[in-house]
Amino acid sequence: GAVVSQHPSRVICKSGTSVKIECRSLDFQATTMFWYRQFPKQSLMLMATSNEGSKATYEQGVEKDKFLINHASLTLSTLTVTSAHPEDSSFYICSARELGGQPQHFGDGTRLSIL
Amino acid sequence: GEDVEQSLFLSVREGDSSVINCTYTDSSSTYLYWYKQEPGAGLQLLTYIFSNMDMKQDQRLTVLLNKKDKHLSLRIADTQTGDSAIYFCAEVSGGYNKLIFGAGTRLAVHP
Repeated sequence: GAVVSQHPSRVICKSGTSVKIECRSLDFQATTMFWYRQFPKQSLMLMATSNEGSKATYEQGVEKDKFLINHASLTLSTLTVTSAHPEDSSFYICSARELGGQPQHFGDGTRLSIL
Repeated sequence: GEDVEQSLFLSVREGDSSVINCTYTDSSSTYLYWYKQEPGAGLQLLTYIFSNMDMKQDQRLTVLLNKKDKHLSLRIADTQTGDSAIYFCAEVSGGYNKLIFGAGTRLAVHP
């Protein structure tokens, strides 16, 4: 089946550091990838939709300068949390949708902890 | 706007059937999904149903869709302890086919 690989799985770093998270579709091409954030015991909140070769579409309330998204190829999207602070600590999950269809396949998530 | 609601908690005895319910608001949703999340992990796609279907069965899983009432359910037959997890219902919405998730139902399976 379709596999989405997300790296790293866990990051612990100091406040002010920028952190890059990668999302790769391993065995299919994905023109669209999605980035979600999940707080403890809560549902997934869509942050942005990443489109290959064009600018990402951000959800209301998500700072585009804070969460930089690059979707440079049909198999890779990256999320960079710039100048991270403790309030950015969260579980970040990406998903990828196969070309022209459904469903979305999810990565295993990245747990980000900012000290 | 779009909204997906589901009960937050369900407790069942091992071997019994579990039924997790979900309601959604976007009548134009083409697909509805069930995902499973275990602690500290990402989401695992369990099953999905196209909006022109009433029922879909896949081994122990049965999905029922009542489009008139915008109600979706997931039945797990012969529930096992390994089924303990959070189950998310999601509808597809919008031009980019983004997913709108419910809050998740925590399923606890006890002996």
